[in-house]
Amino acid sequence: AQSVTQPDIHITVSEGASLELRCNYSYGATPYLFWYVQSPGQGLQLLLKYFSGDTLVQGIKGFEAEFKRSQSSFNLRKPSVHWSDAAEYFCAALYNFNKFYFGSGTKLNVKP
Amino acid sequence: NAGVTQTPKFRVLKTGQSMTLLCAQDMNHEYMYWYRQDPGMGLRLIHYSVGEGTTAKGEVPDGYNVSRLKKQNFLLGLESAAPSQTSVYFCASSRGRDTGELFFGEGSRLTVL
Repeated sequence: AQSVTQPDIHITVSEGASLELRCNYSYGATPYLFWYVQSPGQGLQLLLKYFSGDTLVQGIKGFEAEFKRSQSSFNLRKPSVHWSDAAEYFCAALYNFNKFYFGSGTKLNVKP
Repeated sequence: NAGVTQTPKFRVLKTGQSMTLLCAQDMNHEYMYWYRQDPGMGLRLIHYSVGEGTTAKGEVPDGYNVSRLKKQNFLLGLESAAPSQTSVYFCASSRGRDTGELFFGEGSRLTVL
């Protein structure tokens, strides 16, 4: 069955430090891939998406993600984290154009 | 532009009661989804619809029913609520096959006592 794995439940980084959140997907065919962010009490907001082409995609708020087919990964990165980036981040995969599968999420804490 | 609107935002039910969550989108999207979010489990798909008059089961459909009588609305029903259905429910929509991006509502927090 298709699945999305986010191995890190919680991550804490210092403000100004770099960030990488991991995401792996299963299944043979490459799905469309997404990263969403959820602030407390809010819905999910799209950060970036990968459909095809350039494997390094840029998103909003200074985030980027790199698709690596050989590793079935789509890791999210940011060079310098801001306190306002504290939130929960979800990786998602779209299969067959109509079924989204979400990872279990990674909660990011930012230390001053 | 309202986007995706869910009502109600909060509800407390007793075991065995019924209720309906309403999702409305004003973006003329073809696809609509209902998810539930539970701590440590991410979002799990309950039911989805790829067009007016169509519905399909997702990962966790048991205990829920849905209807999509109008393109802009997607209703989620609980006929006999159980404590295990205490959760935050999110509705989402997308334009369809070629874009994929989901647009989310702000969520509906349901507590079943």
